[in-house]
Amino acid sequence: KQEVTQIPAALSVPEGENLVLNCSFTDSAIYNLQWFRQDPGKGLTSLLLIQSSQREQTSGRLNASLDKSSGRSTLYIAASQPGDSATYLCAVRPRIQGAQKLVFGQGTRLTINP
Amino acid sequence: GAGVSQSPSNKVTEKGKDVELRCDPISGHTALYWYRQSLGQGLEFLIYFQGNSAPDKSGLPSDRFSAERTGGSVSTLTIQRTQQEDSAVYLCASSLRLGGGELFFGEGSRLTVL
Repeated sequence: KQEVTQIPAALSVPEGENLVLNCSFTDSAIYNLQWFRQDPGKGLTSLLLIQSSQREQTSGRLNASLDKSSGRSTLYIAASQPGDSATYLCAVRPRIQGAQKLVFGQGTRLTINP
Repeated sequence: GAGVSQSPSNKVTEKGKDVELRCDPISGHTALYWYRQSLGQGLEFLIYFQGNSAPDKSGLPSDRFSAERTGGSVSTLTIQRTQQEDSAVYLCASSLRLGGGELFFGEGSRLTVL
């Protein structure tokens, strides 16, 4: 059974710092991994999607990497801003016949202090 | 539409009543998913649709839950005889296709059962 873990559960850093959020998964047989952010009381916003054949994806100040063999992904946020404060979730889509659901981690609650 | 639209955004109901939650996916997206997010919990997969077909209903918590999709577009999640433990945010997502497609989520429907 695929399990996804995100550590730490919460992180607080000063504005301007570069930071890394971690995601690990137990089964390397995946189609892809997706990073989301969730603001309080809101839905999930897709940030980056990495297919299993890819090593990384970049969007603006965000860079996500994928090491499928070790079951790890990182989300790098450069020059953090208070608007980056949110919960960040990673999710994998297992490569199992007929499986269509994403398996989510519990998320990392990020606070950027002005 | 431009994004996934869900209604109602908030629903308060009494125990034992039936509720219907609606999801309007992004135009052209053939795959549609329902998830549930309870307070302090991760995202729980409920059901997915490919077109109007729901091949896997095993994620539905009980037989009080049902879902349908018509015209390959709008989906309705129905909860009969609601219980307090049904209180949660119900999130809908859509993707262009099954398999490796990126998921886009709506803002969710917050259900409170008194």
